[in-house]
Amino acid sequence: DTAVSQTPKYLVTQMGNDKSIKCEQNLGHDTMYWYKQDSKKFLKIMFSYNNKELIINETVPNRFSPKSPDKAHLNLHINSLELGDSAVYFCASSQEGTQPQHFGDGTRLSIL
Amino acid sequence: AQKVTQAQTEISVVEKEDVTLDCVYETRDTTYYLFWYKQPPSGELVFLIRRNSFDEQNEISGRYSWNFQKSTSSFNFTITASQVVDSAVYFCALSEHLSGSARQLTFGSGTQLTVLP
Repeated sequence: DTAVSQTPKYLVTQMGNDKSIKCEQNLGHDTMYWYKQDSKKFLKIMFSYNNKELIINETVPNRFSPKSPDKAHLNLHINSLELGDSAVYFCASSQEGTQPQHFGDGTRLSIL
Repeated sequence: AQKVTQAQTEISVVEKEDVTLDCVYETRDTTYYLFWYKQPPSGELVFLIRRNSFDEQNEISGRYSWNFQKSTSSFNFTITASQVVDSAVYFCALSEHLSGSARQLTFGSGTQLTVLP
């Protein structure tokens, strides 16, 4: 029973393409997140979203956009991919912001 | 703005040694939450512990123990009798209120722990 699942696990694509990463959680949590982990393992919040508000990290380029069709899903859409977008992207969820976040296994994005 | 510092980038120990991972944080909030996560070589992020700012009681879970000291803004993690399977990157994180019900989780840069046989 996977709690937070994201697909695909690996994504290799060319610069300039548009791609999406899907995330689903079956924990009934009300808040979902996207993080970016760079090559030095540094984890940075990109978005925090519940059914009330979207919080965007101001350093995230507007080429990145979260889309939430329902409470259990928060997909990440990326336009015009650039070399610097290569990283591992993690989806997470929590019940409110004070509880532990449960992470997906990550999506390794490689831009050619 | 909040900040989490893990000054130890890499630590190597020999199996059965005890090892302490340091975490120092900065925040303006009076109510906040601290976490430790483990990232083994397989890449997933595993939750280890959550501590709120009102609870300074130390916690022990098997070979793991945590020392939270508000006076020094530290939340250190000790592994007793380390094992090879403990080899991983360990992240300390701080949850701080943003607006409404939203909170932000800020991670430290992580400490790579290598336990040698």
